Amino acid sequence: DAGVIQSPRHEVTEMGQEVTLRCKPISGHDYLFWYRQTMMRGLELLIYFNNNVPIDDSGMPEDRFSAKMPNASFSTLKIQPSEPRDSAVYFCASSEGQPSTDTQYFGPGTRLTVL
Amino acid sequence: GENVEQHPSTLSVQEGDSAVIKCTYSDSASNYFPWYKQELGKRPQLIIDIRSNVGEKKDQRIAVTLNKTAKHFSLHITETQPEDSAVYFCAASDLGAAGNKLTFGGGTRVLVKP
Repeated sequence: DAGVIQSPRHEVTEMGQEVTLRCKPISGHDYLFWYRQTMMRGLELLIYFNNNVPIDDSGMPEDRFSAKMPNASFSTLKIQPSEPRDSAVYFCASSEGQPSTDTQYFGPGTRLTVL
Repeated sequence: GENVEQHPSTLSVQEGDSAVIKCTYSDSASNYFPWYKQELGKRPQLIIDIRSNVGEKKDQRIAVTLNKTAKHFSLHITETQPEDSAVYFCAASDLGAAGNKLTFGGGTRVLVKP
């Protein structure tokens, strides 16, 4: 398996623009997670899905952020409109079973810069 | 929800010495404690984990200990090598009402000096 795949790897955009990040989890994994990593706040869980259903979105910063998982092999994280403070590395991760028992495998991340 | 504190935030050691990173957690119901290593510009990767029914686990030069009573767990790296230089994150399972997830510590940047 190729592991968790994310695209794009780098994204530079201007404030106010819409940004869409994409993730393909490892085949057979039932859980998918979106994290944001910054120097100030560390690694934060934004939202996670179980069998394509959002379970906990309490980490989503505000209404500008939305995430979808239309099928077992694809998820998107959208920011609209983007702001400079959204600049961060966004990681997608997947696991076969529950977060309390199974290893989470991270993708390579998307480095987002909002000017 | 769970709160995980990690210390120190930075750690510099001489090659060959040991490194110890400590984490405390708040929720006594937490039962899974993984450690992730993140090299510069790379993704976090699991290096070792421990469950609440075990007090210690070892894998070559890496060991993790868990004290459930005190609610803290530690990562020990012996005979450190330059390739051990990275940021290390501890995490604890968070079994909240909204489902279960991992809560990560703030990370420890380890620098191994040759």
